[in-house]
Amino acid sequence: DGGITQSPKYLFRKEGQNVTLSCEQNLNHDAMYWYRQDPGQGLRLIYYSQIVNDFQKGDIAEGYSVSREKKESFPLTVTSAQKNPTAFYLCASSLGTGAGNQPQHFGDGTRLSIL
Amino acid sequence: GESVGLHLPTLSVQEGDNSIINCAYSNSASDYFIWYKQESGKGPQFIIDIRSNMDKRQGQRVTVLLNKTVKHLSLQIAATQPGDSAVYFCADTPGGSYIPTFGRGTSLIVHP
Repeated sequence: DGGITQSPKYLFRKEGQNVTLSCEQNLNHDAMYWYRQDPGQGLRLIYYSQIVNDFQKGDIAEGYSVSREKKESFPLTVTSAQKNPTAFYLCASSLGTGAGNQPQHFGDGTRLSIL
Repeated sequence: GESVGLHLPTLSVQEGDNSIINCAYSNSASDYFIWYKQESGKGPQFIIDIRSNMDKRQGQRVTVLLNKTVKHLSLQIAATQPGDSAVYFCADTPGGSYIPTFGRGTSLIVHP
């Protein structure tokens, strides 16, 4: 079945540590996205990528980094500069970012907590 | 999408009733709108979408209504079932960018 796989499902971070969240899709989608979800809040865009080797900052990119070396993969690194990283992180993909290339398809998320 | 407040709006209904979930958006240039359903611990699932050249679109047991004059979107679920219990998000896409902006969501609770 085609879909988006996020791993791990749960992740714990120590002070001063960088952690990387994995996102893989086999939908042959060009565009991929990372969102952060806090309790009782909507999804906030961290980064997105329209094509391999290209990515753009979203609304809350500070303290995060991404790479897009392969079409299928869009890993997110939560760096030690992100002072409040505890949240539910969602990865999504779509055919593209233009009209007619939506909607987004989502993975089942990674819950990150501070130790 | 919706704005303000720390608590999710909640809609409680009885099984078999019809549910209406509302959403206000702020950008008059938005021209594509999506409803998602999110169950606890999972990612959002696409339910239905509508473009700004339409006022109404129907799916299986769901209908989306768009009122561009007052920038309002609603999701109607017919014969609501316990499996419909979830958080429902609307998202709009500002003109020129098809990156959706998500509302805070509405929690739907269906009582058997």
